[in-house]
Amino acid sequence: DQQVKQNSPSLSVQEGRISILNCDYTNSMFDYFLWYKKYPAEGPTFLISISSIKDKNEDGRFTVFLNKSAKHLSLHIVPSQPGDSAVYFCAASADSNYQLIWGAGTKLIIKP
Amino acid sequence: ETGVTQSPTHLIKTRGQQVTLRCSSQSGHNTVSWYQQALGQGPQFIFQYYREEENGRGNFPPRFSGLQFPNYSSELNVNALELDDSALYLCASSFSVPGELFFGEGSRLTVL
Repeated sequence: DQQVKQNSPSLSVQEGRISILNCDYTNSMFDYFLWYKKYPAEGPTFLISISSIKDKNEDGRFTVFLNKSAKHLSLHIVPSQPGDSAVYFCAASADSNYQLIWGAGTKLIIKP
Repeated sequence: ETGVTQSPTHLIKTRGQQVTLRCSSQSGHNTVSWYQQALGQGPQFIFQYYREEENGRGNFPPRFSGLQFPNYSSELNVNALELDDSALYLCASSFSVPGELFFGEGSRLTVL
């Protein structure tokens, strides 16, 4: 049973436009959510996180929105740049413990 | 400041063999986590070590074992390799639990 789901395997966006990556979760005990970005042949790198006590967190071009009632979070990238082309993973943890549960990832392609 | 380094980067083993993967954590980090990432999936938590003690374990059989050393480097050992163990093995270090994880580039294991 997948507790964290990223239903779009890939997403293609025009450079300069907004990229919206979505993530759904089933475990209501999750209280901390993170987004990681992964380039080929590299390990994932941390992008942005959000605690369940917030509904929005912003860092430069990246904003994460959390809708607890819908058990849904999204990552907005504005404006999208060619260097944003990568696989994006959503991850979650429960009760601030050690174990991150990951989605399968969404491959973002930024078209020039 | 050196990042997380893993070795070897690629290796091929046959079914039934044993393998040891190594990880040097980022300077100042006392927590190491190991993840298995199968093709097309998100990373799956194997276990975590904090100050040389196992601090949590995912749903992996006992033939997956680990160590953390006084310098906070770590090893992942897998005995009696199976074909399904073929995956990218990621090591991540952090300073606190559940801190932001810093990943190495991974060790790609192929079991034939």
